[in-house]
Amino acid sequence: SAVISQKPSRDICQRGTSLTIQCQVDSQVTMMFWYRQQPGQSLTLIATANQGSEATYESGFVIDKFPISRPNLTFSTLTVSNMSPEDSSIYLCSVSRTVPYEQYFGPGTRLTVT
Amino acid sequence: ELKVEQNPLFLSMQEGKNYTIYCNYSTTSDRLYWYRQDPGKSLESLFVLLSNGAVKQEGRLMASLDTKARLSTLHITAAVHDLSATYFCAVDRKSGGSNYKLTFGKGTLLTVNP
Repeated sequence: SAVISQKPSRDICQRGTSLTIQCQVDSQVTMMFWYRQQPGQSLTLIATANQGSEATYESGFVIDKFPISRPNLTFSTLTVSNMSPEDSSIYLCSVSRTVPYEQYFGPGTRLTVT
Repeated sequence: ELKVEQNPLFLSMQEGKNYTIYCNYSTTSDRLYWYRQDPGKSLESLFVLLSNGAVKQEGRLMASLDTKARLSTLHITAAVHDLSATYFCAVDRKSGGSNYKLTFGKGTLLTVNP
C-alpha cells in the first residue's frame, strides 16, 4: 500500500485568492493524480501529475486555473487559483503503481470558498 | 468517451439481507476497482478486478467481473450496519502513452438498517 498525506486538511478561503494543496507519499510512485469531489458527487479527474514535465489535464480543467507541480516521485502540489464558490469541493491526491495496479487515495482537502 | 453507470444510486436494506450493486461501463477496460467511502472520509480500496471472470471476496462483500458484458457486480451477503457507506466502482483505461486514468461511477449510497 501507500501512505499519503495532504496539507491542509481543510481551509476556508476568500473569493479571488489561491490555495496550494500539498500531497506527500511515503515511497516513490509512478503516477500521481488530482481529483475533485463536489459535495455529494462522484470523483472527477483534474489532471495527471507527471514527474519532470507538465501535468496532463482532463477536459474542462486548465493549467491557469489548476497549476500542478511534481518535483520528484513522492511529492506534488495542486494550486486552485482565483477561487470562486464553485471551487468548493474536496480535492484528493491519488497515487498508483504499475504492479499490483492499486490506486490509493489521500485523505483529501476540504475547501470552502466564501 | 468512457461512461460508468452504477445502480442503484441509493440502497436501503435491512440487516441480514442480501443485495447486489451493478456497475456497467461503455468501452473496453483494463481494470475495474471498487472503493468504499465513509462520510467525510477518503476512499478505501476494496477490490481490483483484472480479468474476465475474476471474483474476489472479503468478508460479506464479493465482487465479480464480466468483461464481455462490461459488467461488474458487488454482492453484499447478510448485511450489517457497519457496511453503511458509499460504494464506487471505477474503470481504468489507458489514456495515451503509458498513462492510465480512472473513470468513476456516481456511487451507491448504502444504508443498512437494524
